[in-house]
Amino acid sequence: AQTVTQSQPEMSVQEAETVTLSCTYDTSESDYYLFWYKQPPSRQMILVIRQEAYKQQNATENRFSVNFQKAAKSFSLKISDSQLGDAAMYFCAYRSDFGENYKLSFGAGTTVTVRA
Amino acid sequence: EPEVTQTPSHQVTQMGQEVILRCVPISNHLYFYWYRQILGQKVEFLVSFYNNEISEKSEIFDDQFSVERPDGSNFTLKIRSTKLEDSAMYFCASSPGQFFGPGTRLTVL
Repeated sequence: AQTVTQSQPEMSVQEAETVTLSCTYDTSESDYYLFWYKQPPSRQMILVIRQEAYKQQNATENRFSVNFQKAAKSFSLKISDSQLGDAAMYFCAYRSDFGENYKLSFGAGTTVTVRA
Repeated sequence: EPEVTQTPSHQVTQMGQEVILRCVPISNHLYFYWYRQILGQKVEFLVSFYNNEISEKSEIFDDQFSVERPDGSNFTLKIRSTKLEDSAMYFCASSPGQFFGPGTRLTVL
């Protein structure tokens, strides 16, 4: 089973500043997908960004971008110009591209606090 | 924009009772999932469903759990005899894209 590790239980950032969340994963596969989900206090899971492993270009989505280092098995999320609404738990997730079961394996999450 | 819906949003039940959690996946999606998140912990995979059958299940998904797609739109998770430790958020998701529903908060007393 793939293991996803988020080593930062909590991160704090000043409003308008940048914060980077780390994620590493363990896999022997070459084709897979990586995701970042945001979970606000409502506990809904909101997809923030995704990255296909076969793409070298890092995915971006407005103020959210990733640094995907395939050889290092690292997938960090950068939140630029942080806003109060960014405060949430962020989960990194892995999905195999092998077979027909596309289940997600999640990390333990990082709680992001935004200071006004 | 299409979305996954789940009902109820909150379910309170007595230990030993049966509960059914309902999900309506995104239309035309073919892969369906249930995940569980105990408060303060990470999201855990329970079961995946494709072509009207279970394609994979985790160790958590024991004989007390079952899934069903009773019609063309609903996807249900049944817990036959709830335990205190079943208290959690239960998320339904559908693919392609792994879109999550808003979750059902299950409280077992």
